[in-house]
Amino acid sequence: GNSVTQMEGPVTLSEEAFLTINCTYTATGYPSLFWYVQYPGEGLQLLLKATKADDKGSNKGFEATYRKETTSFHLEKGSVQVSDSAVYFCALTALNTNAGKSTFGDGTTLTVKP
Amino acid sequence: DADVTQTPRNRITKTGKRIMLECSQTKGHDRMYWYRQDPGLGLRLIYYSFDVKDINKGEISDGYSVSRQAQAKFSLSLESAIPNQTALYFCATSDFGAGVSGEQFFGPGTRLTVL
Repeated sequence: GNSVTQMEGPVTLSEEAFLTINCTYTATGYPSLFWYVQYPGEGLQLLLKATKADDKGSNKGFEATYRKETTSFHLEKGSVQVSDSAVYFCALTALNTNAGKSTFGDGTTLTVKP
Repeated sequence: DADVTQTPRNRITKTGKRIMLECSQTKGHDRMYWYRQDPGLGLRLIYYSFDVKDINKGEISDGYSVSRQAQAKFSLSLESAIPNQTALYFCATSDFGAGVSGEQFFGPGTRLTVL
């Protein structure tokens, strides 16, 4: 079956530090890949996505590149801010398998200190 | 207005009580989902529905039931609540078909406490 493995947290960084959260996946077919973010007290919202190999998703200074050869979709940001403190979920949807349901990683909690 | 709404946002109940969590969406999506979030366990799928007549169990359906009253409404019931059902519950929707990425759209969540 499909699976997503993401870097365990929690992750604590100082403001303006570089962020990487690793995500690797196992899936049959050609899944779409996503990063969702959950701010305190809120639901998950899409941060960025990529639908085919070598696509780069980007939003709010965050980036992730769909690497089919390494089955990875690592999230990066060059300079984090306190407002980036949240839980980050890597996910995939393979529309031709698993009945098109999404598979989520366990989430990585990021805390950014001033 | 939010595309996916959940009521109530917070609920405290007692062991053995029946409780219903409601979800409504204005996205026009056929697919709806109920997830449970516990600290350190990520999201776990409880039930999902691909249309009004199609209801399916997820990975942790025991102790839960659902009703899809319309395309826009999907309710989750706990027939007899127990303390280990204390969690954050999310409803989500998604589109399906050619050209669709499979992105899910989440409600704000219901925090349920069972005493």
